Amino acid sequence: QQQVKQSPQSLIVQKGGIPIINCAYENTAFDYFPWYQQFPGKGPALLIAIRPDVSEKKEGRFTISFNKSAKQFSLHIMDSQPGDSATYFCAAYISGNTGKLIFGQGTTLQVKP
Amino acid sequence: DTEVTQTPKHLVMGMTNKKSLKCEQHMGHRAMYWYKQKAKKPPELMFVYSYEKLSINESVPSRFSPECPNSSLLNLHLHALQPEDSALYLCASSQGGSPVGTEAFFGQGTRLTVV
Repeated sequence: QQQVKQSPQSLIVQKGGIPIINCAYENTAFDYFPWYQQFPGKGPALLIAIRPDVSEKKEGRFTISFNKSAKQFSLHIMDSQPGDSATYFCAAYISGNTGKLIFGQGTTLQVKP
Repeated sequence: DTEVTQTPKHLVMGMTNKKSLKCEQHMGHRAMYWYKQKAKKPPELMFVYSYEKLSINESVPSRFSPECPNSSLLNLHLHALQPEDSALYLCASSQGGSPVGTEAFFGQGTRLTVV
């Protein structure tokens, strides 16, 4: 129940394409869903996050879509660029003093020029 | 400032050595975390400190010993490590103690190699 399932494992798109990464969860106690971008040898960087009372959130070229009834959420990257090539992790969080951030397995994205 | 600073960036240690990893944040966050990340895998939670007290230990072997000297600092003391402990060790912090989830910010990590 604590798992977050992420797909696909890897993704290759052409520059300008719109890669979509999907995540699903079971535990309805999760109340915060961030996405992280990680480049090789670096720590994960917070990209965008959403709460379950919101169905969509946009920040620049990144959009999260959230379907609370289906317990699914996804990341769309508009007009993807080679510099977006990285590993993307979805995550889910249960608030509180002992809050834990549960990560999906990650998606390696390659954007070809 | 949304920075979490980790030192050192790289560390090579023998199995009999004792070393420490350090983490610092000045965002006023009250929750701090240690994660371990192997190549091509997601970060795995090791420890959580909330208001300077250890609140979660994910059954981590005792050769890893965390310490939170104050609300801005987090250490991870290492001794008698094994080669399989080689990984990227990540520190993170978040506001914590809030009724709603808040962002966790990660440091750049310490690349640890045990020889």
